[in-house]
Formats: sequence, structure tokens, C-alpha cells
Amino acid sequence: AQSVTQPDIHITVSEGASLELRCNYSYGATPYLFWYVQSPGQGLQLLLKYFSGDTLVQGIKGFEAEFKRSQSSFNLRKPSVHWSDAAEYFCAVGSPSGNTPLVFGKGTRLSVIA
Amino acid sequence: NAGVTQTPKFRVLKTGQSMTLLCAQDMNHEYMYWYRQDPGMGLRLIHYSVGEGTTAKGEVPDGYNVSRLKKQNFLLGLESAAPSQTSVYFCASKDFSNQPQHFGDGTRLSIL
Repeated sequence: AQSVTQPDIHITVSEGASLELRCNYSYGATPYLFWYVQSPGQGLQLLLKYFSGDTLVQGIKGFEAEFKRSQSSFNLRKPSVHWSDAAEYFCAVGSPSGNTPLVFGKGTRLSVIA
Repeated sequence: NAGVTQTPKFRVLKTGQSMTLLCAQDMNHEYMYWYRQDPGMGLRLIHYSVGEGTTAKGEVPDGYNVSRLKKQNFLLGLESAAPSQTSVYFCASKDFSNQPQHFGDGTRLSIL
């Protein structure tokens, strides 16, 4: 069965500092991976996705993620965090065919301090 | 350019009342989903649909029913609301291919 683990429930970083949010997945074949962001009171917005090819993918808002098959990980990174990045971040895994629902992690809440 | 629209945005119900949440998408997507979001639980799939006239159960379907009579609409019904159904409900849609899901802004439902 597919599953996603986001080990960090809450992370606090200083504005301007680098950020890495962890995501580990369990999937029997090549996965289709996503990161979404949810600002307070809003729906989920896609940050980036990975299906195949280059294992380092670029997304919106300066985010990137790296797929590491050997570690079953898809960690999200940003070199310099802005106060507006404070939000909840969700990692999700799906099948390459796209015909089964995504499985989401429980999310990581990011707080940004001055 | 509405995308996925959820109606209503907020609602307060009394235990035992019924209601229907509407999700409408204007992207001609085949797949539609209903999730609930609770603190510390992430997103849990309630029901989903792979096309007009089809529905399937997700992870937490009990107490909910759904219908997809039109391709653009996906309705989520609570027949007899319970306090445990207090949550934020999100609808999402996607097309056939390996494209991401598009989410609505959510419906905040409180059941007293």
C-alpha cells in the first residue's frame, strides 16, 4: 500500500535561513510525487511534481525538491525562506497511471520568525 | 477562470441535520475527490469519482454519500450530521493524465 511520512510536524526557521522539509514514501513501483502548500484558510496549491527524468525538480516560489529512490525520499528545499512561506506543506504520492487517488502525508507546519 | 468552486464556504449544523456540499469544476476534469482535513490528520479521502455517474469509497466514507450526476459537479451529502464530522472539507479534480489535483478553497463545517 502507498504511504507518505512527513517526520516533522512543525518546523520554525528564521527569515533568510535555508529550509528542508522531509518526505518519505512507500510505493511498489516508480512513484509520482508532489508537494503542495496550504496557506491559512486556503486550499492546497501545487508547488512542484516529479514523475521521471531529472531527480531535482524546480517549483514555484523558489522551491525545489530532490527525488532519491535509494532513500525513498522527496525532500523539499528552499535556500532562503521568506516570511510569506509560513504555511502547511504536504507531500503526496500517486501512481504513474494517475488512475488512483493521491496519498497525502499529514503535513509539516512551517513558522518563520524574524 | 474559476477552477474548483465549493459551496458553501461555511456552515453550522445541529446534530442530526442533513446537508449537501457542492463542488463544481470548469476544467472538464474526469476525476473528482472529496477530502476532509482535521488537525494533525492531514487530508483523508472520503469518496472519489473517476467519471460522470461513478463513485468510489475512500479511506473514511462512513456517514457520507456522494453523487456525480453531471461531469462538472460532485456532491457530498451528510444524511445525519454528527459532531465527529466537524471538519474542513476540500474538493479536488484532475484529468485523465498524470496531472496534479486542483483544489477548491474548502468548506468549514461545524456540527453542534
